[in-house]
Amino acid sequence: GAGVSQSPSNKVTEKGKDVELRCDPISGHTALYWYRQRLGQGLEFLIYFQGNSAPDKSGLPSDRFSAERTGESVSTLTIQRTQQEDSAVYLCASSSTPHLYGYTFGSGTRLTVV
Amino acid sequence: AQSVTQLDSQVPVFEEAPVELRCNYSSSVSVYLFWYVQYPNQGLQLLLKYLSGSTLVKGINGFEAEFNKSQTSFHLRKPSVHISDTAEYFCAVSKSQGAQKLVFGQGTRLTINP
Repeated sequence: GAGVSQSPSNKVTEKGKDVELRCDPISGHTALYWYRQRLGQGLEFLIYFQGNSAPDKSGLPSDRFSAERTGESVSTLTIQRTQQEDSAVYLCASSSTPHLYGYTFGSGTRLTVV
Repeated sequence: AQSVTQLDSQVPVFEEAPVELRCNYSSSVSVYLFWYVQYPNQGLQLLLKYLSGSTLVKGINGFEAEFNKSQTSFHLRKPSVHISDTAEYFCAVSKSQGAQKLVFGQGTRLTINP
């Protein structure tokens, strides 16, 4: 597609429920990243996929968070047993060659846990 | 590990005035540096990047930034701002070798007053 697509754009969920966020990267982009942006704060790295290499999960804040990516296509970020502190905008980005072209970001999923 | 400090969380300026948004980084290895812009209700866009070579880099919309290795800084400047420059600006760093995970600063909200 023309850009990075994320769905849903907004999600309101009750505390304790599981949520699944989806990211469709640009076709051909081997690198895919998830970031979290809390209100008024910077971007917090969560996880990084590069081709078929093992993902860099060093930014996942707890074992309630997990992410998958099949090949170089769609990625899903799953948050189990959501807590209020999980409320944030979750951003996905993809790239073919990050240091040459930077990342292309999606518009994000705004997650609100009530 | 790399880190980024954006010294000003908010910068108000008048239209047509010059502006400088400050960014300092910390890294034990060589790095690439980026500025991203996030307009209201939009995703992040790459403004400019420093990879190597000339320390003065020019980006979109009349912005430029200067890499200063001795001061570990990468300040963003524009000689004359416009109302449309109102946005959140993020400085980011990645290692120049290996996994090119971006580490972001906290962001600077630039507000242009008429």
